[in-house]
Amino acid sequence: SYELTQAPSVSVSPGQTASITCSGDKLGDKYACWYQQRPGQSPVLVIYQNNRRPSGIPERFSGSNSGNTATLTISGTQAMDEADYYCQAWDSSTAWQVFGGGTKLTVL
Amino acid sequence: EVQLVESGGGLVKPGASLRLSCAASGFTFRIYSMNWVRRAPGKGLEWVSGTSSDSTYIFYADSVKGRFTVSRDNARNSLYLQMNSLRPEDTAVYYCARDLGSPGPFDYWGQGILVTVSS
Repeated sequence: SYELTQAPSVSVSPGQTASITCSGDKLGDKYACWYQQRPGQSPVLVIYQNNRRPSGIPERFSGSNSGNTATLTISGTQAMDEADYYCQAWDSSTAWQVFGGGTKLTVL
Repeated sequence: EVQLVESGGGLVKPGASLRLSCAASGFTFRIYSMNWVRRAPGKGLEWVSGTSSDSTYIFYADSVKGRFTVSRDNARNSLYLQMNSLRPEDTAVYYCARDLGSPGPFDYWGQGILVTVSS
């Protein structure tokens, strides 16, 4: 079955740029999206179709997807961005939605 | 305003059954595919099941196939998850989520409902 791999944790200083990656076989041939989940809250879609931002998501969130890697970039990271981030893609061979294992972003 | 409200969770023993419900409002429920996603304690998100807008297409993760059944009632704007033969590893917060593009991404999520399977 299709798998997406994320680093368990990433740390960034306030105001700096955070990059969170997601790897999967030929992931660039699929649409990738990203969710933010703060403790005790439901997931929030922050990027879809590789690089599109839903209404209400700050411009500091951006995405890219090429080859085997999708990347979520947070520019000018703020304390409120501290959360778990999950990538997701659809596996057409099984019709399953697949999530990466998640990356805990720490802002310190 | 789009709202998804889950109900029906609780504490059950291994082997028991439970039925989750998700009440939708604020959008035309009958035209959207819907999904169930869970997050076990200390673990990440796991997709559980999805159904197309008219229930023609239904899919399950291998971990729940044969034990869980997803259904929907478009007249009642509701999504359901019938969970049978529950196992301790099914313990999780279960979310219903609206499917923006069929398939994915999931643009609206409920607040989640806790299911605990323990003897």
